[in-house]
Amino acid sequence: GQQVMQIPQYQHVQEGEDFTTYCNSSTTLSNIQWYKQRPGGHPVFLIQLVKSGEVKKQKRLTFQFGEAKKNSSLHITATQTTDVGTYFCAPNTGGFKTIFGAGTRLFVKA
Amino acid sequence: DAGVIQSPRHEVTEMGQEVTLRCKPISGHNSLFWYRQTMMRGLELLIYFNNNVPIDDSGMPEDRFSAKMPNASFSTLKIQPSEPRDSAVYFCASSFRTSGTNEQFFGPGTRLTVL
Repeated sequence: GQQVMQIPQYQHVQEGEDFTTYCNSSTTLSNIQWYKQRPGGHPVFLIQLVKSGEVKKQKRLTFQFGEAKKNSSLHITATQTTDVGTYFCAPNTGGFKTIFGAGTRLFVKA
Repeated sequence: DAGVIQSPRHEVTEMGQEVTLRCKPISGHNSLFWYRQTMMRGLELLIYFNNNVPIDDSGMPEDRFSAKMPNASFSTLKIQPSEPRDSAVYFCASSFRTSGTNEQFFGPGTRLTVL
């Protein structure tokens, strides 16, 4: 079945440093979504990528979808304390089912 | 819109007791998902419905777990009998499945503790 690996598991950064989390799938994806979960909160949708090689930006966040549609990344430029939380990728192979990665927990030190 | 509503927000029960978690999805959404989140296993998809019909329940841990969606505005997840290892945060999420973005909207979750 489909397997998803998200790395790193944890990342500690100093405020102002950049941060990147990677998501790799064993199978070709139809699309991939990214979610953010603040401590004690619930996952909140950030974005969906569909096209091969797609790059989307949301302010300091940059999302990329690999050319082979098997991997994706989320990059945050100049992290802020408000970026703290766990970032999940959620790949989809075309059906109803979306599998969430294990998540990358981001800690930002002021 | 009030978003996805879950109740109760917290539940503490004793091993062997029946637990029922409730979810009201966003009006107009046609897909509903139940997830379980623990530190050890992360965010696991238990079951999902489309147009009130269960599509895939392969994530349901065992027969002690059951889920229903009697209508488009209500779903329940029942655990009978409950066990300490069922302790987790249970999320309900809904979406409007189209050919475009299928963003899932999560409820606040129910934190279940089984003693």
